[in-house]
Amino acid sequence: EPEVTQTPSHQVTQMGQEVILRCVPISNHLYFYWYRQILGQKVEFLVSFYNNEISEKSEIFDDQFSVERPDGSNFTLKIRSTKLEDSAMYFCAGSLGGNTGELFFGEGSRLTVL
Amino acid sequence: GEDVEQSLFLSVREGDSSVINCTYTDSSSTYLYWYKQEPGAGLQLLTYIFSNMDMKQDQRLTVLLNKKDKHLSLRIADTQTGDSAIYFCAERAGNTPLVFGKGTRLSVIA
Repeated sequence: EPEVTQTPSHQVTQMGQEVILRCVPISNHLYFYWYRQILGQKVEFLVSFYNNEISEKSEIFDDQFSVERPDGSNFTLKIRSTKLEDSAMYFCAGSLGGNTGELFFGEGSRLTVL
Repeated sequence: GEDVEQSLFLSVREGDSSVINCTYTDSSSTYLYWYKQEPGAGLQLLTYIFSNMDMKQDQRLTVLLNKKDKHLSLRIADTQTGDSAIYFCAERAGNTPLVFGKGTRLSVIA
């Protein structure tokens, strides 16, 4: 069964460093998302991406964040200068779209900022 | 903004029924979802219900929706140890992004 894969599974970084989280969505999906979950908190929407551009983003997704789909398969989330409060589990998801909007999630990348 | 609330923990004995509850604030929600997260895995869609329905049954899973009270529940019949996981309630209005709760950790005691 096709699945969404994310790398790395865990990354530890120093505050101020750049981090790139990678995702390979299911090949026929059209809509792509990043969500994050700070430990003990809710799963929060960051950004959605469709047709090679951002379709929606939350207040969390500030200028420090960017997304890219450089080669038609990978979908990346870059955090330019990490802060302590960026420590979280980051989930990539994709969907075909449509009314039911079922999202298929990856296993997540845990980011720890020291 | 929209909010989804769930209790954080539930513990049940194997063979009993589990009921996980969720409340939401967005009256324009069109779809409501239950996702399951097993240790080390991503969020897996279990079931969803459209807002004009009040019940949906799928094998051991029963979803009840009280739209007036904005209350959603997931009942798992004959709960097994393999059902131990975190269960997330989520809602969506139209094509807006999913709004999740914090998740309910279900522990099944053998």
